[in-house]
Amino acid sequence: AQTVTQSQPEMSVQEAETVTLSCTYDTSESDYYLFWYKQPPSRQMILVIRQEAYKQQNATENRFSVNFQKAAKSFSLKISDSQLGDAAMYFCAYRSSSNYQLIWGAGTKLIIKP
Amino acid sequence: SQTIHQWPATLVQPVGSPLSLECTVEGTSNPNLYWYRQAAGRGLQLLFYSVGIGQISSEVPQNLSASRPQDRQFILSSKKLLLSDSGFYLCAWTQGVTKNIQYFGAGTRLSVL
Repeated sequence: AQTVTQSQPEMSVQEAETVTLSCTYDTSESDYYLFWYKQPPSRQMILVIRQEAYKQQNATENRFSVNFQKAAKSFSLKISDSQLGDAAMYFCAYRSSSNYQLIWGAGTKLIIKP
Repeated sequence: SQTIHQWPATLVQPVGSPLSLECTVEGTSNPNLYWYRQAAGRGLQLLFYSVGIGQISSEVPQNLSASRPQDRQFILSSKKLLLSDSGFYLCAWTQGVTKNIQYFGAGTRLSVL
């Protein structure tokens, strides 16, 4: 069975600095998708970034980028120029191409220090 | 554009009372629909998902049930709530070429007392 592990329950970063959140996953499949979702205090779940496993190029969305290491089954999220509004829980998720279900990590709480 | 509505936002119910949470999606057709539960400070647990009207898959045996009476409507129910049913419930949908992206409603905070 597929699993997703986020080993950092909590991370903190100074405003305007860069922070990297870790995620590893376990799967025997070759075709899948990986996601980072953000859940601010409002608890609305918001998609941050998506990566297709067949793409070698790392996904980027403005200040958010990923480091996708398929062989190592690692999918970290880098947030550059951290802003106070980035404070939230961040969840890593995996989805097989043959299945509709998302497998979720336990989340990392990101604290931004002003 | 597509939107997802989930209500109520907050609900306080006594143990043993019934439950009905509703989720509707606008601006799309034949979405896949999902119900999740999130305990405080924890990740998401998939409860049910549906790929069409009347088609419900249950992931976790529990006190809850789900129904999909219309294409864009997904309902989470319980006949008798337990204390352990307290939590944050999220509805999500996927559709079309972006079936791999799940979009979420604002959630319902349920407290069973």
